[in-house]
Amino acid sequence: GIQVEQSPPDLILQEGANSTLRCNFSDSVNNLQWFHQNPWGQLINLFYIPSGTKQNGRLSATTVATERYSLLYISSSQTTDSGVYFCAVVIFTGSARQLTFGSGTQLTVLP
Amino acid sequence: DAGVTQSPTHLIKTRGQQVTLRCSPKSGHDTVSWYQQALGQGPQFIFQYYEEEERQRGNFPDRFSGHQFPNYSSELNVNALLLGDSALYLCASSLGGGGETQYFGPGTRLLVL
Repeated sequence: GIQVEQSPPDLILQEGANSTLRCNFSDSVNNLQWFHQNPWGQLINLFYIPSGTKQNGRLSATTVATERYSLLYISSSQTTDSGVYFCAVVIFTGSARQLTFGSGTQLTVLP
Repeated sequence: DAGVTQSPTHLIKTRGQQVTLRCSPKSGHDTVSWYQQALGQGPQFIFQYYEEEERQRGNFPDRFSGHQFPNYSSELNVNALLLGDSALYLCASSLGGGGETQYFGPGTRLLVL
């Protein structure tokens, strides 16, 4: 099956700093989503981005489908950005529509 | 617009027991997927229900079963619980089979003693 790798596994930042999280995947994908998992376990949708670039406030994401990677940018980080960031991909094969997740990046933003 | 809801929020069971978890999808969605997230790992796909049928299944034993009702809500059943079944169980809803954005509920934390 498809492999999804995220880097770095852990990231510690001072409040106000910028960061880039990376997601590599081993095959062409039809769908890619970025999630933020808060300390209570809720997975919050950040982006649906199978290709191209999107921005939402201090967050932006870019997926280069031909090179099989996606980047999540966080600017002017805040303590509330802390948590685990996951990317997840879907390949349309037959009826298969499940998300395959990476192992996540644990982000800690210090005040 | 109600989001994805799950019940119960927490559950404690003992080995060998059976458990049923419930999920109501986001309004307008017809597809429900279930995921298991062990501590420190990413969610793992269990199965997906669309049009009241299981259409795709991950690498989970038959002890894991499910159901989708005509109102699109879904149940996840786990029989003969093992200590290793302790995890956060997440439900995701989407439209038309899961190819578009999937939205997750808050999860059910299951502890097996």
